[in-house]
Amino acid sequence: QSALTQPASVSGSPGQSITISCTGTSSDVGSYNLVSWYQQHPGKAPKLMIYEGSKRPSGVSNRFSGSKSGNTASLTISGLQAEDEADYYCCSYAGSVVFGGGTKLTVL
Amino acid sequence: QLQLQESGPGLVKPSETLSLTCTVSGGSISSSSYYWGWIRQPPGKGLEWIGSIYYSGSTYYNPSLKSRVTISVDTSKNQFSLKLSSVTAADTAVYYCATFNTVTGFDPWGQGTLVTVSS
Repeated sequence: QSALTQPASVSGSPGQSITISCTGTSSDVGSYNLVSWYQQHPGKAPKLMIYEGSKRPSGVSNRFSGSKSGNTASLTISGLQAEDEADYYCCSYAGSVVFGGGTKLTVL
Repeated sequence: QLQLQESGPGLVKPSETLSLTCTVSGGSISSSSYYWGWIRQPPGKGLEWIGSIYYSGSTYYNPSLKSRVTISVDTSKNQFSLKLSSVTAADTAVYYCATFNTVTGFDPWGQGTLVTVSS
């Protein structure tokens, strides 16, 4: 099972919105809405930000939203803040688990 | 709330077996709601799923690691464990344990433990 494809890096200015894509196949992302997104700050464990494609766990800011179109899932962060600067990973479950390669978000 | 903590040697010699344990607190490992998983992250690289186990003992492994991985559960100690055999320098990574649900993903995670493979 191949890793999901994410851009290596994205950037945005405070207050702006950015979107991180996560491309899989019709066998994983395309077939199931079981995509989750994780935020990881340097030296820290990943934190769940989105599950089941678009749902936010309790305590996660509503500035974070998820969506899916075809074989591509997306994470959108609106109203960028300095503390959003981190690595972001998507993950898909389709009988097995596969992660994306990760995207480094820089807040300019 | 659930909390997970990894433990085990931080240094393993090449060709030997890496062994880690994850202790679960704040809940029962016998819960039917969750799987228990291991994920690793080589220095400066991305996350890689190693495998998951259900409290009943059913296991699911990453095909790329399956021949070298064994995950087991000890319900009496509220722990689950990872064994990775025939390690090389490529297995040097931070190893995380986490609670897994197919719908809600991996949450929570342990803090992670760095395992270095070196002679």
